Amino acid sequence: EVQLVESGGGLVQPGGSLRLSCAGSGFSFSDYGMNWVRQAPGKGLEWISYISISSSTVHYADSVKGRFTISRDNVKNSLYLQMNSLRVEDTAIYYCARRGYYDRFDPWGQGTLVTVSS
Amino acid sequence: AIQLTQSPSSLSASVGDRVTITCRASQGIDTALAWYQQKPGNPPKLLIYDASSLQSGVPSRFSGSGSGTDFTLTISSLQPEDFASYYCQQSNSFPLTFGGGTKLEIK
Repeated sequence: EVQLVESGGGLVQPGGSLRLSCAGSGFSFSDYGMNWVRQAPGKGLEWISYISISSSTVHYADSVKGRFTISRDNVKNSLYLQMNSLRVEDTAIYYCARRGYYDRFDPWGQGTLVTVSS
Repeated sequence: AIQLTQSPSSLSASVGDRVTITCRASQGIDTALAWYQQKPGNPPKLLIYDASSLQSGVPSRFSGSGSGTDFTLTISSLQPEDFASYYCQQSNSFPLTFGGGTKLEIK
C-alpha cells in the first residue's frame, strides 16, 4: 500500500522552530517529487513547498520563503520541513503529498498539527 | 502567482441532484488543473487530474472539463457520501495554488 505518514507536529511558541518529517512506503520514494501543503483551522488548502527527485529544485510559497526549508533523504524514504521563526499564522495541519504524473497530488498523508501559541 | 477563483463557495443540494462547481484561473493554465474532495478530519482525495482525467477508483459520476482559464467539476447524481468540500488546484507554474474551496451541504 502506498502510504505517507507525517510526524513532528506540536505546540511551539512564536519565534520557535520545529522539524516535520514525512515517511513514504509502498512506492519508490526516490522517483517522485514531493510537496508540503497546509490547512489552517477551518480554512482552505495552501501549498507551501516542493522538492524535486534529486533535491536540485525547490520552490516555496512567499508566506514561508526564508523561514522554511524543505529537504529529503531518499535512502531513508523521508521528506522534511524545517520551520524557523514560526508565527501564530503558521498554525495549521501540515500534509505531505506525492507529486505524480500530470503533477497530481496523490496520495496525501494524514497530516500533523502544528500550533504556534504563547 | 496564478489565482484560482472557485464558485460557489457553498452549495446546498439534494441526493440525486446534478451539481457543477466552477474554477476560474487568473491566466491560462492549459489543462494543468486537478480537483480534490475533502471530508472533515481527513486529508484531501484526488478526484480529477489534467482537467478531465478521472483518478483510478473514483466513481464515474464525477467528471471534469475545461482548459485555459475556465474549468468545471460536475457530479452527475449526488450520493450521500459526496457531501464534502471540493478544491481545484493548478500545476501550470509555481507557486502552485488552490482555489478557495466549495462546501457542498445537504439541503
